Amino acid sequence: EAEVAQSPRYKITEKSQAVAFWCDPISGHATLYWYRQILGQGPELLVQFQDESVVDDSQLPKDRFSAERLKGVDSTLKIQPAELGDSAMYLCASSFDSYEQYFGPGTRLTVT
Amino acid sequence: AQKITQTQPGMFVQEKEAVTLDCTYDTSDPSYGLFWYKQPSSGEMIFLIYQGSYDQQNATEGRYSLNFQKARKSANLVISASQLGDSAMYFCAMREGRDGGFKTIFGAGTRLFVKA
Repeated sequence: EAEVAQSPRYKITEKSQAVAFWCDPISGHATLYWYRQILGQGPELLVQFQDESVVDDSQLPKDRFSAERLKGVDSTLKIQPAELGDSAMYLCASSFDSYEQYFGPGTRLTVT
Repeated sequence: AQKITQTQPGMFVQEKEAVTLDCTYDTSDPSYGLFWYKQPSSGEMIFLIYQGSYDQQNATEGRYSLNFQKARKSANLVISASQLGDSAMYFCAMREGRDGGFKTIFGAGTRLFVKA
């Protein structure tokens, strides 16, 4: 069964350092989502792509976060510089349409 | 204002019994979708069930059913015959249209504990 791949699964970094996460969606899924999930809360959408175009990045802290999906397939989310408050689970999801989203295993980020 | 409200931070249920997890939502969009996801301790989000705002019947998927009460803006998840493996976080989510596209908003979740 096709799955959304994410790497790394775990990342520990010091504040002020740069960190990047990678996501490979299910083949054929045009829509890709990055969510941030703070411990004890539900996921919050950071950015949504339709193919290679950003359709929603209203909740993305653009002073430090960036996301790209250059060829409309895999995607990278970057944080520079990382802050203590960025410690969270970063989830990637993809969907064929806007119906069911398939989630990857997530990247758990700890900023020290 | 909260778009998705899950009022139960934690719930306990005895194995083999049924349990209802509450979810209320707020939207002015006539066309929307409601989802439930399960998140085990390993972290991945697992899709359970979907209900469209125009669906006349309550959605069912195996042991999961969604009690959709549109007038009350309620979309409760019912898990029948609970199993130990059902212990997890459960998130209610709503997809609503905006600016020609869609956005999915998640509730804060309910942690379910299944007792042997």
